[in-house]
Amino acid sequence: EPEVTQTPSHQVTQMGQEVILRCVPISNHLYFYWYRQILGQKVEFLVSFYNNEISEKSEIFDDQFSVERPDGSNFTLKIRSTKLEDSAMYFCASETGAGYEQYFGPGTRLTVT
Amino acid sequence: RKEVEQDPGPFNVPEGATVAFNCTYSNSASQSFFWYRQDCRKEPKLLMSVYSSGNEDGRFTAQLNRASQYISLLIRDSKLSDSATYLCVVNKDTDKLIFGTGTRLQVFP
Repeated sequence: EPEVTQTPSHQVTQMGQEVILRCVPISNHLYFYWYRQILGQKVEFLVSFYNNEISEKSEIFDDQFSVERPDGSNFTLKIRSTKLEDSAMYFCASETGAGYEQYFGPGTRLTVT
Repeated sequence: RKEVEQDPGPFNVPEGATVAFNCTYSNSASQSFFWYRQDCRKEPKLLMSVYSSGNEDGRFTAQLNRASQYISLLIRDSKLSDSATYLCVVNKDTDKLIFGTGTRLQVFP
């Protein structure tokens, strides 16, 4: 069964450093998403991406964040200058069409020290 | 008012019990509804979509009441492996998912 994959599974970084989180969505899916979940809190939407551009972003997704689909298979989330409050699980998700079922990757646990 | 509201639990039930989870959503423009389950420190996994006519998948039954903006999930004959957090999820007229905080279920022998 096809699945969303994410790397790395755990990333530790120092405050102010840049991190890139990587995702490989399911191959025939067209819509891609990043969500985050701070420990003990609910899953929150960050950004959606379709047709090589951002279709929607939340207020969390400020200028420090960017997304890219560099090669037709990978989907990346970059945080330019990490803050302590960026520590969270980051989940990538994909779906065949808007409003259909989204499938999540196993997540990257980001720890900012 | 929260966009998606759930009782956080925990619900502690014996194996074989029937357990019901409820969820309310605030935006009447919501269009798609789902239940996901999440194990500790893992990703949300889609359990089932929820339709106005109601739908059943084995021991799991989901119901949607658009007039009351209410979604439910019923689990029959609970198994130890059903222990997890159950997330009520709503999708409006955009493609982003809005998650509830989840209801924790613990099934004991």
